[in-house]
Formats: sequence, structure tokens, C-alpha cells
Amino acid sequence: DTAVSQTPKYLVTQMGNDKSIKCEQNLGHDTMYWYKQDSKKFLKIMFSYNNKELIINETVPNRFSPKSPDKAHLNLHINSLELGDSAVYFCASSPPRTGGLDEQFFGPGTRLTVL
Amino acid sequence: KQEVTQIPAALSVPEGENLVLNCSFTDSAIYNLQWFRQDPGKGLTSLLLIQSSQREQTSGRLNASLDKSSGRSTLYIAASQPGDSATYLCAVRPGDSSYKLIFGSGTRLLVRP
Repeated sequence: DTAVSQTPKYLVTQMGNDKSIKCEQNLGHDTMYWYKQDSKKFLKIMFSYNNKELIINETVPNRFSPKSPDKAHLNLHINSLELGDSAVYFCASSPPRTGGLDEQFFGPGTRLTVL
Repeated sequence: KQEVTQIPAALSVPEGENLVLNCSFTDSAIYNLQWFRQDPGKGLTSLLLIQSSQREQTSGRLNASLDKSSGRSTLYIAASQPGDSATYLCAVRPGDSSYKLIFGSGTRLLVRP
């Protein structure tokens, strides 16, 4: 299936731990994103990568470190997890921006719960 | 600063009714606008993308319109079905070459059988 996939789907961990979420897209897209959906269901951009280069970091704490080993992967590593990090994290990808046709496609999300 | 608002926050309609979901944005300088559907506990499914130069897009029973000058978009759903029950999200791509979408808070739709 052509899609954006994320692992794991659920992640439950203790405060202070370090965890990673993986994202892969097989759509051949150049740009990948991480979004956070909080408990009120509001979605907000965290990072954007274009051709493996960081384009946007929306004032995310430096405990969050994205890594893009290649154009098809964008992983999110979180250090020293805090209660407030509990949320659903979505990965997305989009094709090159040509004429406004850069439709974004989202992964299924990773529900992170910090205890 | 671009802000996106969706009204109403929740909507309940009987099956078969035609309905309109509203989205407004504060800065008319957008690159495109995208409508998504989110089912409970699931990811986002892209429904329609409207480029800034377009006025509307259609897909099946869905029709999305865009009026950039007034900062508004509507999603029209014809002959609603219980399977349309979901949260509908509107998002704009700012025209400042930003690689991001700015989302509204969504409209939670319930279509009653």
C-alpha cells in the first residue's frame, strides 16, 4: 500500500524516559512533517523537512529532535519526556510545491501517554 | 499571524440532509486550503485541496468553495449519510512559502440514521 506509516501506534512511558517515533512514506514525496494534536484535538505543526533538510522548527523544545536519514523517513526522538508531551503525533508528507498542489497526506498517528 | 476558525464546533443532522461546514481565515495570502476528515482515534484523510487560484473543488458528494478575499471556505456535503459522521478539519498553507498547514479546531459532525 502506498501511504504514510508510523510506528508505534501507541506508546506509554514514564516521565523522564527517552523515546522515538518512526515515520516512513512510500509516496516519493520530498517534504515531511511532524504535527502534534493535543488533548483538545488541536493540530499544530512541529517540524518540516524538505529533502532531508530542516525547514521549520515551530518553537518546539530542544528535547524534541527530528532526524531524516533519507527523503522517505522522518523520525522523532524525544528526550526527558514530560507529562505535557502526552498527545497524538502525526507524520505527514507532501509532493514538491508546484502550483499549490502540495497536498499533505497524513499517517495514522502515534498516541503518546506519559505517566 | 494566520488564524483559522471553524464554525460550528459541532453539528447533528438527520440522514439525507444537505449541510455546510464553514472555515474562515484571517490572512487572505494563502497558497492553498485543504479539507480533511478525522474519524475517532484515526489519522486524517484528505478530502479536497483548493489552490489559491481556484474557486471550488468537487469530489463525489463533497464540494468545497474558496473565497480568498473574504477569508472563507465552505464544505458542502450533499445527502448526508451516517458514515459521514466524523470531525472535519480545515487547514490553510500560508502564502509566505511556509512548509506547513495551519489548522482550524474542526467541526464534529453527527449524521443520525
